[in-house]
Amino acid sequence: DIQMTQSPSTLSASVGDRVTITCRASQSISSWLAWYQQKPGNAPKLLIYKASTLQSGVPSRFSGSGSGTEFTLTISSLQPDDFATYYCQQYHTFFRTFGQGTKVEIK
Amino acid sequence: EVQLVESGGGLVQPGRSLRLSCAASGFAFSDYAMRWFRQAPGKGLEWVAFIRNKAYGGTTEYAASVKGRFTVSRDDSKTIAYLQMNSLKNEDTAFYYCTREGNDYVSDYWGQGTLVTVSS
Repeated sequence: DIQMTQSPSTLSASVGDRVTITCRASQSISSWLAWYQQKPGNAPKLLIYKASTLQSGVPSRFSGSGSGTEFTLTISSLQPDDFATYYCQQYHTFFRTFGQGTKVEIK
Repeated sequence: EVQLVESGGGLVQPGRSLRLSCAASGFAFSDYAMRWFRQAPGKGLEWVAFIRNKAYGGTTEYAASVKGRFTVSRDDSKTIAYLQMNSLKNEDTAFYYCTREGNDYVSDYWGQGTLVTVSS
């Protein structure tokens, strides 16, 4: 299975901050990477797919980049609604795998 | 509006069985593959099972951790996907989510999840 590693595991930030989360794959996954946001008690919500395509309805302050083995999720100006846990997921292989998650906390 | 609603979770003893349902609406269910994921409380996400649409034979795939114990199926006439879970183990305790696999092969819509607790 392809291993996905996110960093950091926890991130403390303030409203208005620019935030970047990194995801590394154990082998090349081309651009077959998605980012999900999950809030406590809720299901994950798709934010970005194909590494950089914004899902319909997702605010433009979210952006994704990367290919191969290194990817980033950037929130350009953190909003109160953005405090959540973020997961990357590879879908290069049939057996989908996720990063361990990055919790974005209020500083 | 796309909606996926899981049901059937609950408390079950080790070794027993449970069947989860995922009722779909708001899209052409028969055209889409469906995937199940799970998440142990406070833990990360794990893929569990997958079923293709009829055009691709409705064939299935499973994670190694559940292969031989879980069976995924679908009833396109009722727009429901099922996850039959047999020989349940304590480590199967988790929230179970059904998802639609969108046109870009990504799970674009998720249900709200149903909690399965395996305990004696």
